[in-house]
Amino acid sequence: EPEVTQTPSHQVTQMGQEVILRCVPISNHLYFYWYRQILGQKVEFLVSFYNNEISEKSEIFDDQFSVERPDGSNFTLKIRSTKLEDSAMYFCASSRTGQGSNEQFFGPGTRLTVL
Amino acid sequence: GEDVEQSLFLSVREGDSSVINCTYTDSSSTYLYWYKQEPGAGLQLLTYIFSNMDMKQDQRLTVLLNKKDKHLSLRIADTQTGDSAIYFCAEIDPGSGNTGKLIFGQGTTLQVKP
Repeated sequence: EPEVTQTPSHQVTQMGQEVILRCVPISNHLYFYWYRQILGQKVEFLVSFYNNEISEKSEIFDDQFSVERPDGSNFTLKIRSTKLEDSAMYFCASSRTGQGSNEQFFGPGTRLTVL
Repeated sequence: GEDVEQSLFLSVREGDSSVINCTYTDSSSTYLYWYKQEPGAGLQLLTYIFSNMDMKQDQRLTVLLNKKDKHLSLRIADTQTGDSAIYFCAEIDPGSGNTGKLIFGQGTTLQVKP
């Protein structure tokens, strides 16, 4: 069964460093998402991406964040200068359409620890 | 803004029924979902319900939607130890058009005792 994959599973970085979190969505999907979950808090939407551009982003997704689909398979989230409060589990998801009846498939997550 | 709330923890004995509850604030919500997260894994969609339905049953799972009270519940019949996980209630953001943005509750940890 096709699945969303994410690498690495755990990333440790120093405050101020850049990190790139990688995701491989399901191959025939057209909508891509990043969510994050700070320990003990809710899963929060960060950004949605369709047709090679951001379709929606949350207040969290400021200038320090960017997303890219550099080739036909990868979908990346870059944090330019990490802060302590960026420590969280980051989930990538993909779906065929953006409609509510269409399942979003989630990857296993990348745990980001900023020291 | 829109908000989704759940209780944090539920403990049941194997073989009992589990009922996980969720409330949401936006009455124009169209799709509501239940996701399951097992340790070390991503979020797996269990089931969803469209707002024109009151109930949906899928094998051991029953979803009840009370639109008047903005209350959603997930009942798991004959709960097994393999059902131990975190269960997330979510809705598709009514204001986000067709971008698919999901709003999640904080998750209910279900503990099933043998």
